[in-house]
Amino acid sequence: GQQLNQSPQSMFIQEGEDVSMNCTSSSIFNTWLWYKQDPGEGPVLLIALYKAGELTSNGRLTAQFGITRKDSFLNISASIPSDVGIYFCAGQHSLDKLIFGTGTRLQVFP
Amino acid sequence: ETGVTQSPTHLIKTRGQQVTLRCSSQSGHNTVSWYQQALGQGPQFIFQYYREEENGRGNFPPRFSGLQFPNYSSELNVNALELDDSALYLCASSLAVAGGNNNEQFFGPGTRLTVL
Repeated sequence: GQQLNQSPQSMFIQEGEDVSMNCTSSSIFNTWLWYKQDPGEGPVLLIALYKAGELTSNGRLTAQFGITRKDSFLNISASIPSDVGIYFCAGQHSLDKLIFGTGTRLQVFP
Repeated sequence: ETGVTQSPTHLIKTRGQQVTLRCSSQSGHNTVSWYQQALGQGPQFIFQYYREEENGRGNFPPRFSGLQFPNYSSELNVNALELDDSALYLCASSLAVAGGNNNEQFFGPGTRLTVL
């Protein structure tokens, strides 16, 4: 099935560092969403973006909807141990399916 | 407010058997989507149900079928199970509003299916 290109595939950082990950697509989307998934759990919605160029924050998280509508990035500032997990981007054309990225696995060391 | 719940949490079946997975949507939501997540992959869209009818389907064979009930809960049925059907099955609920252009989907914890 179709998956969006997400990078990096994995990151190993020290607590307190900032993190940046992005997601690209060959097609445009109307909505971009970012999810975090912990082992054995379902994805949890972090941020939703609805307009090209939109920049939205949720605490230490900031995400942007690319101006071309084909990409999005997520930044995490001042990482903490509970940020560990797999981060997925997801694009949506219409009011049904989400198309997910390949995931970025984040590991934070104290 | 009650979140999305799924049952069972784990299930083991053998090839050729049939399985039914259940999902209760978040209160106030009217739409349910099902996804399959293989190990190490992102979730893949199976189908969505709105007003008790299928409203979009991904690239899955007809042996994957579903239902939505008047209380918006949903079932995913898989017939003639194959080894490759082993995965985490995720249900997501959302509120579809006429004329709306966003559809934030909230996921349940998933059902881990193992096919032997």
